[in-house]
Amino acid sequence: DAGVIQSPRHEVTEMGQEVTLRCKPISGHDYLFWYRQTMMRGLELLIYFNNNVPIDDSGMPEDRFSAKMPNASFSTLKIQPSEPRDSAVYFCASSNSPGLAGLSSYNEQFFGPGTRLTVL
Amino acid sequence: AQTVTQSQPEMSVQEAETVTLSCTYDTSENNYYLFWYKQPPSRQMILVIRQEAYKQQNATENRFSVNFQKAAKSFSLKISDSQLGDTAMYFCAFRNTGNQFYFGTGTSLTVIP
Repeated sequence: DAGVIQSPRHEVTEMGQEVTLRCKPISGHDYLFWYRQTMMRGLELLIYFNNNVPIDDSGMPEDRFSAKMPNASFSTLKIQPSEPRDSAVYFCASSNSPGLAGLSSYNEQFFGPGTRLTVL
Repeated sequence: AQTVTQSQPEMSVQEAETVTLSCTYDTSENNYYLFWYKQPPSRQMILVIRQEAYKQQNATENRFSVNFQKAAKSFSLKISDSQLGDTAMYFCAFRNTGNQFYFGTGTSLTVIP
């Protein structure tokens, strides 16, 4: 398996522009997580999905942020309009469900390589 | 709510020496899972080691081992024979039975040649 795939790896944009980050989870994983990492705030959970349904979006900072998961193999995180304070590394991670027969019970998260977003 | 605390923001160790990174957590659950992730300068988050709370035996992966003290809610990571490639940020993480993950703030480890 190729692991969790994120695109783009780097994004530089100007304030006010729309930014879309993409994620392809590991095949068979039914949980998907979006995180944001900054020096000041560390690793923050923004939102997570189970079976394509958003379960907890309490970490989404404000209405400018939205996330979708139209199918089991694709998710997007959109920022519109973007602001300089959104500059960070955004990670996507996936895991499988606890207790599924034949699978690891640990259900550790597998992370993508991250997208470094710079908003000027 | 569960919390994960890493009280050492930065640490350093001489190459070939042993270092221990501390992690404590707070939970009312009886079964859960604990992890250590490594984030080198490449930014990729890499799973280092994992432990299930029901298992008494401490997990070991080559030079990495944990000291899991369930009563004390402590989950420290020991790195033996430190190598330059171990230089990274290390995150302790907790997963509950509901598949919610909680990460600590990280410890930046520098291995000195």
